[in-house]
Amino acid sequence: DTAVSQTPKYLVTQMGNDKSIKCEQNLGHDTMYWYKQDSKKFLKIMFSYNNKELIINETVPNRFSPKSPDKAHLNLHINSLELGDSAVYFCASSPTSGIQYFGAGTRLSVL
Amino acid sequence: AQSVTQPDIHITVSEGASLELRCNYSYGATPYLFWYVQSPGQGLQLLLKYFSGDTLVQGIKGFEAEFKRSQSSFNLRKPSVHWSDAAEYFCAVGAKAAGNKLTFGGGTRVLVKP
Repeated sequence: DTAVSQTPKYLVTQMGNDKSIKCEQNLGHDTMYWYKQDSKKFLKIMFSYNNKELIINETVPNRFSPKSPDKAHLNLHINSLELGDSAVYFCASSPTSGIQYFGAGTRLSVL
Repeated sequence: AQSVTQPDIHITVSEGASLELRCNYSYGATPYLFWYVQSPGQGLQLLLKYFSGDTLVQGIKGFEAEFKRSQSSFNLRKPSVHWSDAAEYFCAVGAKAAGNKLTFGGGTRVLVKP
């Protein structure tokens, strides 16, 4: 059983489209995160939710909107996709201890 | 603000040789420190962590790391590298006061020669 699962694994789309990436964790953790890894492998946090409440919102364009329907799910919706949004997006979850467990990533390619 | 520097972008090591990856951090309080490994096309796997206590921490796959507060470092070591250790390695600092967000270094790519 995958602890943190993301779908889809690959996403290829045109500029201007709207797309969503889903994340689910079965670890019972209260906190979930989205990270972006750019083409140079640099990882940066985007958002964090604790028990459905937004607690971290880094300087991310408002075209990106996270949604947490319950504490086991954190989805990422992206409007009006741009070329610069091409990246690998990682979901993670953690208990209060702070150890974060990562999903396998979603590779987004915007053409 | 917290930051992490991994000075080595690439390291090439022969199979069976020892490996040391450098990590320097900047954080105002006692840090939570992590090393993650990313194999090609894969997610990040936790190798080891430091929260408090013994400054030499053991992790999975034969890795260890030493926290040195005076040098603001958390270097990763392995005595004998296997071909399967070829991957990207990331050092990260966590800030409990900032919602446990992780700040990552730029990563070090390890290549293993036969």
